[in-house]
Amino acid sequence: ETVMTQSPATLSVSPGERATLSCGASQSVVSNLAWYQKKPGQAPRLLIYGASTRATGVPVRFSGSRSGTEFTLTISSLQSEDFAVYYCQQYNRWPWTFGQGTKVEIK
Amino acid sequence: VQLLESGGALVQPGGSLRLSCAASGFTFSDYAMSWVRQAPGKGLEWVSTISASGGNTYHADSVKGRFTISRDNSQNSLSLQMKSLRAEDTALYYCARVALILGQFDNWGLGTLVTVSS
Repeated sequence: ETVMTQSPATLSVSPGERATLSCGASQSVVSNLAWYQKKPGQAPRLLIYGASTRATGVPVRFSGSRSGTEFTLTISSLQSEDFAVYYCQQYNRWPWTFGQGTKVEIK
Repeated sequence: VQLLESGGALVQPGGSLRLSCAASGFTFSDYAMSWVRQAPGKGLEWVSTISASGGNTYHADSVKGRFTISRDNSQNSLSLQMKSLRAEDTALYYCARVALILGQFDNWGLGTLVTVSS
């Protein structure tokens, strides 16, 4: 099983600041990685797929990158609606696996 | 795209339950579909995926042998038959569409709650 490890568990950021979230894979997933945003009471929302491609309608302040088995989600200037939990997920091999999540909270 | 789950309930340990997902707004038979769950206070966990035709299914080890995913393309519906339920199966179960290209979940329902408790 491919283990996905996200860090940090919680990130405290002020509105307007930059947030950098990390996700590491225990083995190669090439670029078969997605990022999701999850807010309480709402369905998860796809943000990024293919490690760096924004999903339809996702603001440009969200960007994804890959370096080997390390992946990064960057939110360039946090808006109030961005405070949520973010999950990475690999779909390179079965079983598909999620990271444990990073909670982005207001500082 | 709309995905509407149903069938969640309170069930005793060892019991069975069948979840359903009604899909609309897209050509259901073109897409693989999945179930993903979130236990209270926990993260997201992939449960099962079925190919567009229904010919291939995949299950997480935690549910293998107990859960069965299926679909009816004539009815635009997805199902998850759950048996031998355990307390650790308590979760909000989401129906999710798998993107045509690659394997990300590009659309999700709002979920249906399964509680396993005596």
